[in-house]
Amino acid sequence: GAGVSQSPSNKVTEKGKDVELRCDPISGHTALYWYRQSLGQGLEFLIYFQGNSAPDKSGLPSDRFSAERTGGSVSTLTIQRTQQEDSAVYLCASSLDGDTQYFGPGTRLTVL
Amino acid sequence: EDQVTQSPEALRLQEGESSSLNCSYTVSGLRGLFWYRQDPGKGPEFLFTLYSAGEEKEKERLKATLTKKESFLHITAPKPEDSATYLCAVQVTGDTGRRALTFGSGTRLQVQP
Repeated sequence: GAGVSQSPSNKVTEKGKDVELRCDPISGHTALYWYRQSLGQGLEFLIYFQGNSAPDKSGLPSDRFSAERTGGSVSTLTIQRTQQEDSAVYLCASSLDGDTQYFGPGTRLTVL
Repeated sequence: EDQVTQSPEALRLQEGESSSLNCSYTVSGLRGLFWYRQDPGKGPEFLFTLYSAGEEKEKERLKATLTKKESFLHITAPKPEDSATYLCAVQVTGDTGRRALTFGSGTRLQVQP
């Protein structure tokens, strides 16, 4: 079946611009996660959605980062006023049971 | 604070040369330990989940084991296509229920023909 998909695969933007990254989870998966993988860093948790519950935003690094999930499916991660330190690969994962997380291919963000 | 440490950072093997990757963890309470494989430019690919000490899982040339302090990923007679970065992650118990993973920094494995 179809896995997690993300778009765009690559995004180059200028410092100060806003960007939106999209994630389509596996159909039927109620849990959705965003992670960030920076060069030389491990994956770090950003935000978690579970069903209709309020999202867990405890991993967001600043208030420039926000995310929403519409209809319990597609999610959009928005970064406002991008900075060079935001350059990273942004990974989305989804889970059916809250345990095993299946990752998408990621969006590589480059902030010039 | 939950911590996951993987060693070695990098490992170069000859084809057929078996070895093990280590993942040591310090957590308040372990709900599950996960192994992923990541190829360059791709997202992590799920390999195994281990829940309790003594548990073992196998898949082809890979075998994962778990103790109360660490996990090992044993690679038997590796092939060049096993070359990748192997990531270990933990999921902790607690009242948040968020199930977010805490990852180690990975082991880059290169298998030479």
